[in-house]
Amino acid sequence: DAKTTQPTSMDCAEGRAANLPCNHSTISGNEYVYWYRQIHSQGPQYIIHGLKNNETNEMASLIITEDRKSSTLILPHATLRDTAVYYCIVRSTWGQGNLIFGKGTKLSVKP
Amino acid sequence: NAGVTQTPKFRVLKTGQSMTLLCAQDMNHEYMYWYRQDPGMGLRLIHYSVGEGTTAKGEVPDGYNVSRLKKQNFLLGLESAAPSQTSVYFCASSKVGDTGTNYGYTFGSGTRLTVV
Repeated sequence: DAKTTQPTSMDCAEGRAANLPCNHSTISGNEYVYWYRQIHSQGPQYIIHGLKNNETNEMASLIITEDRKSSTLILPHATLRDTAVYYCIVRSTWGQGNLIFGKGTKLSVKP
Repeated sequence: NAGVTQTPKFRVLKTGQSMTLLCAQDMNHEYMYWYRQDPGMGLRLIHYSVGEGTTAKGEVPDGYNVSRLKKQNFLLGLESAAPSQTSVYFCASSKVGDTGTNYGYTFGSGTRLTVV
């Protein structure tokens, strides 16, 4: 599975959009991009995933570049409860094998 | 609908003791996983199961055994606990993938294990 690169930490003002980048330059054609987050001391929580089209759900939007080498997770109106570590993961073959978690981005939402 | 339930939530063991961590899911998911998380590190896969009666090794399987006798349960055993196994353990489950399935992994709330 392709490796991802994320910034170690980011800050965001409460109520503003949080844009979390992820680079995955070695992604292959059948690999999806997944985002999870982990709020302190809790289990990771699935946010969203996509292959090549932009995706939106009730939690966030996922923007994938046309060459698929990078993506951005957007939390449109960040709240204090969105403070967490956000993991970008790329993998193939949905449902099998392993989710490989890197160190993620620590997002701090500030009042 | 409880999702993924892990028991116990906390445990302290002495070196050499054994214990079993229980993971139960009520979503009829086929796949189940055990991860450990240590400070400053991401989650690492210990073992996983793609169905009842099947198990497979993950990234860090040494010192652990697992069993999946029932679809809804996935047990993680430590036969002889060591201080290096002090960690937070997370169980997860997922639905068998088919294109378009929009569910990700569902994680439990974790078991905090200390081996002294």
